[in-house]
Amino acid sequence: EVQLVETGGGLIQPGGSLRLSCAASGFTVSSSYMSWVRQAPGKALEWVSVIYSGGRTYYADSVKGRFTISRDNSKNTLYLQMNSLRAEDTAVYYCARDLGCTSTTCRNKWFDPWGQGTLVTVSS
Amino acid sequence: QSVLTQPPSVSGAPGQRVTISCTGSSSNFGAGSDVHWYQQLPGTAPKLLIYGNNNRPSGVPDRFSGSKSGTSASLAISGLQAEDEADYYCQSYDNTLSAWVFGGGTKLTVL
Repeated sequence: EVQLVETGGGLIQPGGSLRLSCAASGFTVSSSYMSWVRQAPGKALEWVSVIYSGGRTYYADSVKGRFTISRDNSKNTLYLQMNSLRAEDTAVYYCARDLGCTSTTCRNKWFDPWGQGTLVTVSS
Repeated sequence: QSVLTQPPSVSGAPGQRVTISCTGSSSNFGAGSDVHWYQQLPGTAPKLLIYGNNNRPSGVPDRFSGSKSGTSASLAISGLQAEDEADYYCQSYDNTLSAWVFGGGTKLTVL
């Protein structure tokens, strides 16, 4: 069974750092495209970052320069390092596998499956 | 404010058919980007419902169907059931933002 489990969320002060983990089972992270998507309380979903199987990474403008996506192939785990956290980063963070990429583009990709999410609260 | 616009809420009685719209623009749907739909039950993670405009993953009932035309897309749910009460999100890619984007979400209430 394909499954994703996030950990690492919690309460952090503004300006602080936090690292989220997403342990995968049933498939190989290193040969997959993987994303982080977040959802602020009572708000819509927001794509945050993606890492391609070849290692390329992309970020939403709202987190560029502050967040870093990475993976540990030996642990089959995806990470999101979050620095300089702001109150507006408060959200449930989900990891998800990307599907639908072709050899030339990921424009029409979708996300499946999703992890259960981990809550990050940025507050003093 | 999302670049994909959904109605905040829709409702219907059990057994009825409801549709949820997702309005985009020339920088996403109009540029040829596909639409995908997710169902989020209360307190749970989103679940893929429709991919590639009108394809259902295995396990998703055929009561759910999707379509896309021009700069708009829609999700139809027929034979409404109480368990369909959830938030529904559309998703696509936007050329202007160079990012994957979601609609603002629609809360479906089964009366």
